Amino acid sequence: DAKTTQPPSMDCAEGRAANLPCNHSTISGNEYVYWYRQIHSQGPQYIIHGLKNNETNEMASLIITEDRKSSTLILPHATLRDTAVYYCIVSVRTGGGNKLTFGTGTQLKVEL
Amino acid sequence: DAGVTQSPTHLIKTRGQQVTLRCSPKSGHDTVSWYQQALGQGPQFIFQYYEEEERQRGNFPDRFSGHQFPNYSSELNVNALLLGDSALYLCATLNRQANYGYTFGSGTRLTVV
Repeated sequence: DAKTTQPPSMDCAEGRAANLPCNHSTISGNEYVYWYRQIHSQGPQYIIHGLKNNETNEMASLIITEDRKSSTLILPHATLRDTAVYYCIVSVRTGGGNKLTFGTGTQLKVEL
Repeated sequence: DAGVTQSPTHLIKTRGQQVTLRCSPKSGHDTVSWYQQALGQGPQFIFQYYEEEERQRGNFPDRFSGHQFPNYSSELNVNALLLGDSALYLCATLNRQANYGYTFGSGTRLTVV
């Protein structure tokens, strides 16, 4: 699986958009970009995934550059409950479910 | 609808002992993966089960073994415990047909003394 690079930490004011970048310059054509987050003392939570097109769901938007070498997770209106470690993962989707290779992620702190 | 259930939530074991951790998947999920998360690190993939067989394995020694039952629940067994096995053990499940994303349990905190 391709490796990802994320900033170790970011701050965001409550109510503002949080834009979390991820670099995956060695991504292969059949690898998806997944985002998970982990709130302290809980298991990771799936947020969103995409291949090449931008994606949006009730939690977030995922913007993938045209060359697919980087992506941005957007939380449109961050709240204090969005404070968590955010993991960007690149992985091939297989018939049995992909193996997730977690890095150290980005610690997002949402403040008043 | 219950999510992923793991038991026990906390466990203290002595070096050299054996431990069994349990996972009940979310309703409708047939695939179970196990992860180890050391303090301050991201989760590390141990192995994955579906159709009662180990399908993928991470870089973990044979002391780590597992099992999946016909009802899709799973166990993680660790033999000859080492101090370095102290970690949060996470179970993640999904439906292979849907494969939208894993649902994780809250984990079992294992402390080896």
